[in-house]
Amino acid sequence: NAGVMQNPRHLVRRRGQEARLRCSPMKGHSHVYWYRQLPEEGLKFMVYLQKENIIDESGMPKERFSAEFPKEGPSILRIQQVVRGDSAAYFCASSSKETQYFGPGTRLLVL
Amino acid sequence: AQSVSQHNHHVILSEAASLELGCNYSYGGTVNLFWYVQYPGQHLQLLLKYFSGDPLVKGIKGFEAEFIKSKFSFNLRKPSVQWSDTAEYFCAVNGGSGYSTLTFGKGTMLLVSP
Repeated sequence: NAGVMQNPRHLVRRRGQEARLRCSPMKGHSHVYWYRQLPEEGLKFMVYLQKENIIDESGMPKERFSAEFPKEGPSILRIQQVVRGDSAAYFCASSSKETQYFGPGTRLLVL
Repeated sequence: AQSVSQHNHHVILSEAASLELGCNYSYGGTVNLFWYVQYPGQHLQLLLKYFSGDPLVKGIKGFEAEFIKSKFSFNLRKPSVQWSDTAEYFCAVNGGSGYSTLTFGKGTMLLVSP
């Protein structure tokens, strides 16, 4: 029973480029959450999605960031025109009920 | 708004010492409480969780936590730590009904010296 999958595990981008982070939830889970972890900080909630719906995006920056969870395929967190401050670990979690299970994360480095 | 406070940012212990990591939360309703562990370079793993019932919860790897409602606390304990427990520990809370997002504390980095 595969866990939450994320790819890529590491991503290097130059300022101004786009970053696409992918998350495949655990089998049977239809709820996906994205969190960002900055150095020396805990995880901060970004967005909560169900298939084809954004349920809560209160933690998403208003500009440059978007997320989707299509009917088919993984959830995608997209960061346009990345800046150095976007460098962080981005974790995806999925759940079927109250407990969230986390993926290995994507470590984004913006040069 | 929910918030979670972890008392210590760094803890250093020798092997076989007892561990207690503090966690207090602020939330105006029913809560679910979690402790996650993040080993170096790895993703978060669930150590234990509390939804209801017995306030003393046992998790994996010999960890346990006690929910004290009057103190809004959910402290993590282990009677005897091992070098392999070196990791970062995160306390988290979400609303008790259905699906809801997690609010995390800033984490406690535990270093166990052999």
